[in-house]
Amino acid sequence: GEDVEQSLFLSVREGDSSVINCTYTDSSSTYLYWYKQEPGAGLQLLTYIFSNMDMKQDQRLTVLLNKKDKHLSLRIADTQTGDSAIYFCAEPPGEGGYNKLIFGAGTRLAVHP
Amino acid sequence: EAGVAQSPRYKIIEKRQSVAFWCNPISGHATLYWYQQILGQGPKLLIQFQNNGVVDDSQLPKDRFSAERLKGVDSTLKIQPAKLEDSAVYLCASSFNSPLAGGRNEQFFGPGTRLTVL
Repeated sequence: GEDVEQSLFLSVREGDSSVINCTYTDSSSTYLYWYKQEPGAGLQLLTYIFSNMDMKQDQRLTVLLNKKDKHLSLRIADTQTGDSAIYFCAEPPGEGGYNKLIFGAGTRLAVHP
Repeated sequence: EAGVAQSPRYKIIEKRQSVAFWCNPISGHATLYWYQQILGQGPKLLIQFQNNGVVDDSQLPKDRFSAERLKGVDSTLKIQPAKLEDSAVYLCASSFNSPLAGGRNEQFFGPGTRLTVL
């Protein structure tokens, strides 16, 4: 079955770069997503990458995709205290599924001065 | 545009009681999702609607959970009777896209309802 795995916790200093990693199982995924969840709030789409790309950059965010290793990463440059949140990697299920998402357990990012 | 609305934000009940959650998706979004998010875990899909029809309820514990979306807009999720393990945040999300697999699936989430079962 589908499975998305992430490390659970990351602590960085303000101004440093953060790298959040994710591994997924379904090789047929067309889009892969990163969502952000702030305390007491729902999830918000942060960025996504199409499977025929290996990198996507959007301002401070860089997404890297290694399809061979089924590895996805999110890099946040110049991390700020406002980036403190839980970050979820998500992928669609295997072939034949409706347009739904399988989420990882989330990586809690803590930014300290 | 207004986001996905959910109510109530918090609910505390005793086990074996019933509870209902309400969701109003973004206007024009045909697809609506209910997720259960247990503390420390990612959201798990319970049920997916396309307009007022169910397209996926494979993860819904049908002996105690039910959901409906009668007019293809608002939706309610009910638990009857509740168990201790139902304590979680229940998230509603909506999307504009086709329900078929393969397309980009940007889902917009509400703030969730935090349920505590004592």
